[in-house]
Amino acid sequence: DQQVKQNSPSLSVQEGRISILNCDYTNSMFDYFLWYKKYPAEGPTFLISISSIKDKNEDGRFTVFLNKSAKHLSLHIVPSQPGDSAVYFCAASVGSGGYQKVTFGTGTKLQVIP
Amino acid sequence: KAGVTQTPRYLIKTRGQQVTLSCSPISGHRSVSWYQQTPGQGLQFLFEYFSETQRNKGNFPGRFSGRQFSNSRSEMNVSTLELGDSALYLCASSSQPSGGAEEQFFGPGTRLTVL
Repeated sequence: DQQVKQNSPSLSVQEGRISILNCDYTNSMFDYFLWYKKYPAEGPTFLISISSIKDKNEDGRFTVFLNKSAKHLSLHIVPSQPGDSAVYFCAASVGSGGYQKVTFGTGTKLQVIP
Repeated sequence: KAGVTQTPRYLIKTRGQQVTLSCSPISGHRSVSWYQQTPGQGLQFLFEYFSETQRNKGNFPGRFSGRQFSNSRSEMNVSTLELGDSALYLCASSSQPSGGAEEQFFGPGTRLTVL
């Protein structure tokens, strides 16, 4: 049962344009959401997060939007740069027994074309 | 501050063998989680350790096991390897007792190939 889904395995965007990566989840108990970026031959690195009490969080070129009613979150990258080409994972966590349990999505491979 | 290190980086085994992977977390981090990454499956959670105790376990068969030492270093063991165990195994550490709500720091992974 995939509780966190990234339905687009890949996305291509022109440099300078907006990249929008989407993520859907099924567990309404998730209370924290994160995005990670992964380059080949490296481990994922944390990018940005959002608490379930917010609907938007911004950090430079990266903005994450959360729509709890639709159980949907998205990552916007503006403007997109070739260095943003990577696999992006969304993750969701829920408190369990005093600590958070994290579930990752399947990833979306972003290619930014110069 | 040194990052999360994993050894070995690459490993080739044959079916039926067993393997042990090692992870050294960032100094001071007490939470260590293990993930399996395969194409199309994303990051599948294996287990998480905190202060030498397994706090959480994913839906993997008993062939997958792990442990954590008093210095927070962790090992993962897979016995009776199967072809489907070929994957990138990632270790992540966190400074928070929660182990997950805060950002995790990942190592580069161990690429396991089972022939």
